[in-house]
Amino acid sequence: AQSVTQLGSHVSVSEGALVLLRCNYSSSVPPYLFWYVQYPNQGLQLLLKYTSAATLVKGINGFEAEFKKSETSFHLTKPSAHMRDAAEYFCAVSDRGGGGNKLTFGTGTQLKVEL
Amino acid sequence: ETGVTQSPTHLIKTRGQQVTLRCSSQSGHNTVSWYQQALGQGPQFIFQYYREEENGRGNFPPRFSGLQFPNYSSELNVNALELDDSALYLCASSLAGANVLTFGAGSRLTVL
Repeated sequence: AQSVTQLGSHVSVSEGALVLLRCNYSSSVPPYLFWYVQYPNQGLQLLLKYTSAATLVKGINGFEAEFKKSETSFHLTKPSAHMRDAAEYFCAVSDRGGGGNKLTFGTGTQLKVEL
Repeated sequence: ETGVTQSPTHLIKTRGQQVTLRCSSQSGHNTVSWYQQALGQGPQFIFQYYREEENGRGNFPPRFSGLQFPNYSSELNVNALELDDSALYLCASSLAGANVLTFGAGSRLTVL
């Protein structure tokens, strides 16, 4: 069975500071990995995905994530936080069967950005 | 192109009742998935539909059922509602074989 663990249910950073949201995965087969963002009262929006090409993946809004097989990690980073980045972030994993449409999500990390 | 639209956005039901939630897929998408997101939790996969048939199911009881129509829109039906069914229900569409889901804004169900 696949799973993801997001360390830290709440992360607070100052505007302009580095954002680091942690995600570790467990999968018996090479996974697809995703980061989604959820703003209040909205659905999930894809930030970026890893599907076995480059291990450093660049996404929207200046976010990127690095796939590290040896550490089973897929941490999300952004060099400089903006107020508009305040939202909940979900890491997700899927296997490669069925087109990767069945996602297993972590419990989420609420990002707070302070002035 | 239109995204995924869900209705209703909010609804309140009482225990034992039945509910139907609706989803219109993004134009060109032929696969629909449903997820349940309880308060403070990540979404959990309920099931997926492709070519009007269920094509994968998560750990949900049979009282959760669905339909997909020829135009790829979908319904989620929940019978004999329980308090724990209170959640945000998210619909997502995709192309079969693709690995990117487009999510709707969800239907928030409250069971009293």
